[in-house]
Amino acid sequence: QKEVEQNSGPLSVPEGAIASLNCTYSDRVSQSFFWYRQYSGKSPELIMSIYSNGDKEDGRFTAQLNKASQYVSLLIRDSQPSDSATYLCAVKGYGQNFVFGPGTRLSVLP
Amino acid sequence: GAGVSQSPSNKVTEKGKDVELRCDPISGHTALYWYRQSLGQGLEFLIYFQGNSAPDKSGLPSDRFSAERTGGSVSTLTIQRTQQEDSAVYLCASSEETKSEQFFGPGTRLTVL
Repeated sequence: QKEVEQNSGPLSVPEGAIASLNCTYSDRVSQSFFWYRQYSGKSPELIMSIYSNGDKEDGRFTAQLNKASQYVSLLIRDSQPSDSATYLCAVKGYGQNFVFGPGTRLSVLP
Repeated sequence: GAGVSQSPSNKVTEKGKDVELRCDPISGHTALYWYRQSLGQGLEFLIYFQGNSAPDKSGLPSDRFSAERTGGSVSTLTIQRTQQEDSAVYLCASSEETKSEQFFGPGTRLTVL
């Protein structure tokens, strides 16, 4: 059974701080990694995708991938109350469906 | 451009009735996915289509669930003889190919009384 694990949270950070969200996966052949944001009552929205080891930055968001450790993370700089949501990690391997983690609930406190 | 659309947005049905949920993917997207999300839970994979064929049906919870896709576009998810445990939000997503990012529709909230 291929698994994706995340801390369920809630993760609380003060406004302006860096929020760090972590994800581990079990399938070593996984190739594609995604972070989605889901507001309460809404559908998931793609934030970042990452395919190779290292960091990928997009505005206030940075995704980090370490395939050797089977670990992917999302950093949110200068966190805003509007960032409060559940963040889903998704992993895709060869010829397989996506596997989503359970999500981490982030709360940014004003 | 237009995103993924789903209909109906809400469906209330009585136990034992059949329901049909529809997904219209982003134009040109060849892969289409169905997920289920119960209240406060993560995404549960149901089925995906590459074109009109479904290489992976492993997530369908029972034989009461079926899905089809015609013309490489619209897909319908059918639940026969609905049960209360089928109550959830059913999400559809599409992508350009099976390896790239998925984009989600707004979902259909199904309530089985």
